[in-house]
Amino acid sequence: AQSVTQPDIHITVSEGASLELRCNYSYGATPYLFWYVQSPGQGLQLLLKYFSGDTLVQGIKGFEAEFKRSQSSFNLRKPSVHWSDAAEYFCAVGARTGGSYIPTFGRGTSLIVHP
Amino acid sequence: DTEVTQTPKHLVMGMTNKKSLKCEQHMGHRAMYWYKQKAKKPPELMFVYSYEKLSINESVPSRFSPECPNSSLLNLHLHALQPEDSALYLCASSQTPASSYEQYFGPGTRLTVT
Repeated sequence: AQSVTQPDIHITVSEGASLELRCNYSYGATPYLFWYVQSPGQGLQLLLKYFSGDTLVQGIKGFEAEFKRSQSSFNLRKPSVHWSDAAEYFCAVGARTGGSYIPTFGRGTSLIVHP
Repeated sequence: DTEVTQTPKHLVMGMTNKKSLKCEQHMGHRAMYWYKQKAKKPPELMFVYSYEKLSINESVPSRFSPECPNSSLLNLHLHALQPEDSALYLCASSQTPASSYEQYFGPGTRLTVT
């Protein structure tokens, strides 16, 4: 079965600093990988996804993620964080199940942005 | 319109009450989902509807009863809930069941069971 590990429960950065959120996955085949963001009191929004091809994926809001098969990782990055990026970030892996690719979510990383 | 709406935003109910959560999308999506999310936890899949038919039930207790009256609407009927059922209930949709990796989420209903 597939699984996702987000080792950091909380990450604190200063506004304008760079950001990297870690994600490791476990899946036997080529995974479908995703990052979602959840602002307080909101539903989840898809930031970016990786299926195949270029291992550096660009997403919305200036985020990018890099797929590294050798490390089973799919870390999320942003060069300069804004206060509005404070939110919960979920990495997910989607495994094919009966024609669907229901994402399995990691436990989430809470991003705190200091002014 | 790329929005999934959920009503109500907040719901407080007693353990003997019957209530319903409503979810609506007008994107023409043919797959819809219910998730339960406890505080500081990831969403947990409850149900999947594919082309208005229930395709996945993740062993959810029968006190939760989903319904999909048409392709735009998804309901979750609640009856005889327990305090541990208090959570954020999220609805989501995707264009097709095969594109379930790209889901659009609603803002959720915050449910408190007293």
